[in-house]
Amino acid sequence: QSVLTQPPSVSAAPGQKVTISCSGSNSNIGNDYVSWYQHLPGTAPQLLIYDDNKRPSGIPDRFSGSKSGTSATLGISGLQTGDEADYYCGTWDSSLSSAVFGGGTRLTVL
Amino acid sequence: QVQLQESGPGLVKPSETLSLSCSVSGDSVNSDTYYWNWIRHPAGRGLEWIGRIYSTGRIDYNPSLKGRVSIAVDTSKNQFSLKLTSVTAADTAMYFCAAGGYCDDTSCSLDEDTFSFWGQGTKVTVSS
Repeated sequence: QSVLTQPPSVSAAPGQKVTISCSGSNSNIGNDYVSWYQHLPGTAPQLLIYDDNKRPSGIPDRFSGSKSGTSATLGISGLQTGDEADYYCGTWDSSLSSAVFGGGTRLTVL
Repeated sequence: QVQLQESGPGLVKPSETLSLSCSVSGDSVNSDTYYWNWIRHPAGRGLEWIGRIYSTGRIDYNPSLKGRVSIAVDTSKNQFSLKLTSVTAADTAMYFCAAGGYCDDTSCSLDEDTFSFWGQGTKVTVSS
């Protein structure tokens, strides 16, 4: 059971927009920044979003992040088949004194 | 661009010690640009942070693993390592090393909620 809660899967058609939610508590999302990662099995996970809504250099603006209270959301617009991957949210939990992650969301582009 | 590569045995017997290394290129494990982490992913479950080491020598471990885990740096090889003792089947997972913090055009920050670069991971199975 992961500390942060994500839906196991989401799907949408190419060109559409999808959102992935990440729910936590006051000791983690409510108290620290959220980051998001894309992982294609067999490759290195990639940082997509940090500090809730900032994109590292090279990440297209199709990827966006937002946060409200103890929940965060990753948005992906203009979906491409290459976006099919697992997506994870992460943050620091001050009660657990540990970085924590969500269980991951598998994105399918139909 | 920092690159990381994990290495180590893919099979460990129960009760023995799991030992992995992470080779770093594009930065020095001695620099204060990033801190160095181990993270694992058991099949069918979420990511689990194992611990981190800073260039200052500060080390933090996930309390759930404390007592079994140790992380160290080998500056001569620009590597850092993980040792996990008394392993069981529950320790079977994909193990990743990662650089913590981030750098933008103007500065770097050792934020503890961000992992900028990851290795591809190495699969470790605990079985007799």
